[in-house]
Amino acid sequence: QVQLQESGPGLVKPSETLSLTCAVSGYSISSGYYWGWIRQPPGKGLEWIGSIYHSGSTYYNPSLKSRVTISVDTSKNQFSLKLSSVTAADTAVYYCARHVPEMVAATIEGGWFDPWGQGTLVTVSS
Amino acid sequence: SYELTQPPSVSVSLGQMARITCSGEALPKKYAYWYQQKPGQFPVLVIYKDSERPSGIPERFSGSSSGTIVTLTISGVQAEDEADYYCLSADSSGTSYVFGTGTKVTVL
Repeated sequence: QVQLQESGPGLVKPSETLSLTCAVSGYSISSGYYWGWIRQPPGKGLEWIGSIYHSGSTYYNPSLKSRVTISVDTSKNQFSLKLSSVTAADTAVYYCARHVPEMVAATIEGGWFDPWGQGTLVTVSS
Repeated sequence: SYELTQPPSVSVSLGQMARITCSGEALPKKYAYWYQQKPGQFPVLVIYKDSERPSGIPERFSGSSSGTIVTLTISGVQAEDEADYYCLSADSSGTSYVFGTGTKVTVL
């Protein structure tokens, strides 16, 4: 049974970089699938941030692409999120999830996220 | 940027049927997925690939697709179905993902 757990600072100052890690248990990241980050501001909806394959191949939300870096550490079976130049608008619960891609002739045509971690609240404030 | 539009709220009487729609231009060519999220909890997948139900999800949850609109139907709504529901799909590139605006289901 795949389980994911987010970790990282709960408070980040404006203009600094938010850093989170997602530890995966019950499945080896190197075996396949993509792995993604999703966030949810308090009282608001869900927003996909980006996804990464174990090879390091990444896809990012175009609206966040200039500030986001997602990396993977297969030796530790975990992947990480960095979001730079944060503002109060980046305050949110951040979830990590397994990203199951829809593959059509070796091309990604879509996909879904399951299972999810419990989520971690990150507040941007001085 | 690509958008998926849902009604903000749906109210339904206990035991009746609830229908939640999600509209998006790419939906005729892209599968949709549905998530249920209860307060303080992470989202749970209830429908995948438009109409497939994951194991463990009650049969009262079903999905359908017609053109640019996909629909999540909850038949015989139970009190525990009160939650926020989000659709998910990809844009035309297939590699950028968007969640719907979300629908709050209230059970009367």
